[in-house]
Parts: sequence; structure tokens; C-alpha cells
Amino acid sequence: SQQGEEDPQALSIQEGENATMNCSYKTSINNLQWYRQNSGRGLVHLILIRSNEREKHSGRLRVTLDTSKKSSSLLITASRAADTASYFCAPQTSGSRLTFGEGTQLTVNP
Amino acid sequence: GAVVSQHPSRVICKSGTSVKIECRSLDFQATTMFWYRQFPKKSLMLMATSNEGSKATYEQGVEKDKFLINHASLTLSTLTVTSAHPEDSSFYICSARLAGSSYEQYFGPGTRLTVT
Repeated sequence: SQQGEEDPQALSIQEGENATMNCSYKTSINNLQWYRQNSGRGLVHLILIRSNEREKHSGRLRVTLDTSKKSSSLLITASRAADTASYFCAPQTSGSRLTFGEGTQLTVNP
Repeated sequence: GAVVSQHPSRVICKSGTSVKIECRSLDFQATTMFWYRQFPKKSLMLMATSNEGSKATYEQGVEKDKFLINHASLTLSTLTVTSAHPEDSSFYICSARLAGSSYEQYFGPGTRLTVT
């Protein structure tokens, strides 16, 4: 398994602004997943993008994947205070375990 | 959607005692479950992979005799922290992989263990 490295470590924005988080990884993948973790809670699956996809949308979330650069980004548009959480990416080779980096701590100020 | 529960959500125990944490997939079968631990403001560290009906596979540096894992059915895995010490205090999270899937994995809400 391999873990992704999220960037930045911390991000603080105002409500209504967009938040962009990046993820880099090292080897070829089958898919890449993004998760959210509210403080003291488990992980919530946000979105999965396959290696043959370049962009995927889900509500206010937009994920891109650039396999040539081994990187992905997560964009949250029109952010809300409730989006405050840690966000983790998980690059995955088929059947492998998910491992996680340090995450991006997003704070959305009302 | 697929739901994974953990019990208890919080537990406080004394040094030297053992604590069992249960992880259940409520509405799906999981041939594989995973156990993670997380320190404050840190990432999740994968401890072990638990396969139904077989021995767990532990990550490097994780003591298998310290953290006993049993995966007796397709919906239940247990983690027992034996002879707990204060340094075992942590947030333990399990996840369950949907049977027949190579990537669909669902996480439990976590168990906060405090060893006094």
C-alpha cells in the first residue's frame, strides 16, 4: 500500500470561499479516494476517482486526478462552517489496504 | 449506505487490564476488516488487516500479542488490547471492506480508549 501526502497541512478560509487541497503519491494507482474526518469521529468517504478519470464532481466537491504528475486535488466550493474537518486522500492499488497521510486540517470561519 | 459500528465508543480502564473493542458491519458482509489507531491531530496508522476465518496480518512494529484481533464472522471483528498501559491510550478506528469488492471500505465511528 502507499499513502498520499496532503498539502497544505492547514487551511483557514471564510465561509463562501473555495477550499483547495492537494494530494501527491508515489506509484501507479487503480483509484484515489478522499475522506473527511470531523474531530473525534470516524472517516467519511467523500469521493473515489479512478485512474482513467481526470475529473469528478459530487455536489460542491470537485476532484481532479493527474496520473502523469501523480497528484490529485479536492476543491470544495462555497464552503460552509460545517465543512470544517480534516481531509485525507488515499491512493489505492486494487485490493490494497488504505493508508493515510497527515491530512489537511480545514477551518471554515463563519 | 453501508454502516459500520464500533462498541464501546469510549472506554476508560486501569493499567494492566484488557479491553475489547468490537467492530460490526451492520448491513453488509465484510471478508476483510482493518484496524487503525490515531493520536491527537495525527494521521490514522494502520495496525492490522483482519480476514474472516484466518489470522490477522499485522503491520510492522505492531505487537500481535498486545493487540489481539479476532474476525470470527463476516460482520464482526474484535480488537483486544491486552495488559493495557497509558501509552495505549488512543483513538481506535476500524473499517470494513465490502465482500467481493477490492476498494469499497467503510469506517466505524471510532473508540476512544483511555488507560489510567
